[in-house]
Amino acid sequence: EVQLLESGGGLVQPGGSLRLSCAASGFTFSTYAMTWVRQSPGKGLEWVSAISGPGIHIYYRDSVKGRFSVSRDNSKNILYLQMNSLSADDTAIYYCAKNLMNGIAVYDWWGQGTLVTVSS
Amino acid sequence: EIVLTQSPGTLSLSPGERATLSCRASQSVSSNSLAWYQKKPGQPPRLLIYGASTRATGVPARFSGSGSGTDFTLTISRLEPEDFAVYHCQQYITSPLTFGGGTEVEIK
Repeated sequence: EVQLLESGGGLVQPGGSLRLSCAASGFTFSTYAMTWVRQSPGKGLEWVSAISGPGIHIYYRDSVKGRFSVSRDNSKNILYLQMNSLSADDTAIYYCAKNLMNGIAVYDWWGQGTLVTVSS
Repeated sequence: EIVLTQSPGTLSLSPGERATLSCRASQSVSSNSLAWYQKKPGQPPRLLIYGASTRATGVPARFSGSGSGTDFTLTISRLEPEDFAVYHCQQYITSPLTFGGGTEVEIK
């Protein structure tokens, strides 16, 4: 069965950095695009970033461009999200998600999420 | 950015009743590139519907999706106790991908 396990969340001061990881198993990781989605406390879901299977095509929402960097290690089946210059607006549960199929940005498997809290 | 507006915000129903949830897009969602997810507290979202009307693997037949253009609907024909949750729509035709704010289906 597909499993996605995020780690790396925690409490960080404004302006700080965190690196999230998502360990994947149960599917051929390198052939699927992967995505990060976040949910702020009491708010809706927000798409953050996506990366194609080979890692060639990368996408970000405008509010994180230049601050966040998504990458993947297909030899280790791990997805990463490097987050720099964090602000309170980045406080959220961060989920990694597997695309249902290439070319369709719909997510059929999700991790349990990791909480990122940006506060002084 | 395509804004998705879901209504109602909260739907109070009893088990066995029919639930009809609406998702309206600020511009046309071409190719019916709209999905629905179920979200329960402490759990990740669960994919229910994609392509506006295709049920995801393992999703019960009581869940159905319809609509096109700017107006989409998720229908739960007869609510089961496990269906009380928040439901989000998502468009995946235009970047940034966007989600609706959600409709909570609560027990009356």
